[in-house]
Amino acid sequence: GAVVSQHPSWVICKSGTSVKIECRSLDFQATTMFWYRQFPKQSLMLMATSNEGSKATYEQGVEKDKFLINHASLTLSTLTVTSAHPEDSSFYICSAQGHSYNEQFFGPGTRLTVL
Amino acid sequence: DAKTTQPNSMESNEEEPVHLPCNHSTISGTDYIHWYRQLPSQGPEYVIHGLTSNVNNRMASLAIAEDRKSSTLILHRATLRDAAVYYCILGTNFGNEKLTFGTGTRLTIIP
Repeated sequence: GAVVSQHPSWVICKSGTSVKIECRSLDFQATTMFWYRQFPKQSLMLMATSNEGSKATYEQGVEKDKFLINHASLTLSTLTVTSAHPEDSSFYICSAQGHSYNEQFFGPGTRLTVL
Repeated sequence: DAKTTQPNSMESNEEEPVHLPCNHSTISGTDYIHWYRQLPSQGPEYVIHGLTSNVNNRMASLAIAEDRKSSTLILHRATLRDAAVYYCILGTNFGNEKLTFGTGTRLTIIP
């Protein structure tokens, strides 16, 4: 199957700083990428959908100015958490879909801890 | 959106078959039934999906009721590595749609 990577796998930052998380499709071109957030003991919640070269579509309740998504190429999408606060601490997971596949491929996740 | 209902948790002995149920009584005629699983501290991974007929792949089998209002994911011989949260999700046959994850079933494998 196709492989999706995320970097970093974990990050600790101070409150008020910004953090960038990368999501890469390693062996296929991802026309669509998704960003999810998962709090402890909870299920995944979709944050936004991004298509290469266009603006991301955010789910209701997700602040687009706080969670900046860039999908500049068919293999890379980035999520930037701006002015992070402790309540933003979570497990952030991306997924990607390519033309040749019917399923989504998920990255291993990035654990963000904001102090 | 059509929703799914799954038991919160299940236990099974190692090397025995596991049947994970999912109810989706409001499924539409075009909804596919997808199963993903999430191992601890990892992103989800695709398991299987189907529309009407039973499906088999190297990971599992999917048995779909004739009225499509329920389905069962079958792991033929559970191993400790199958301990995960299993999610049953309704959607199209295209991977470019957003997935709505429910609470899933936490499967514990007993050695």
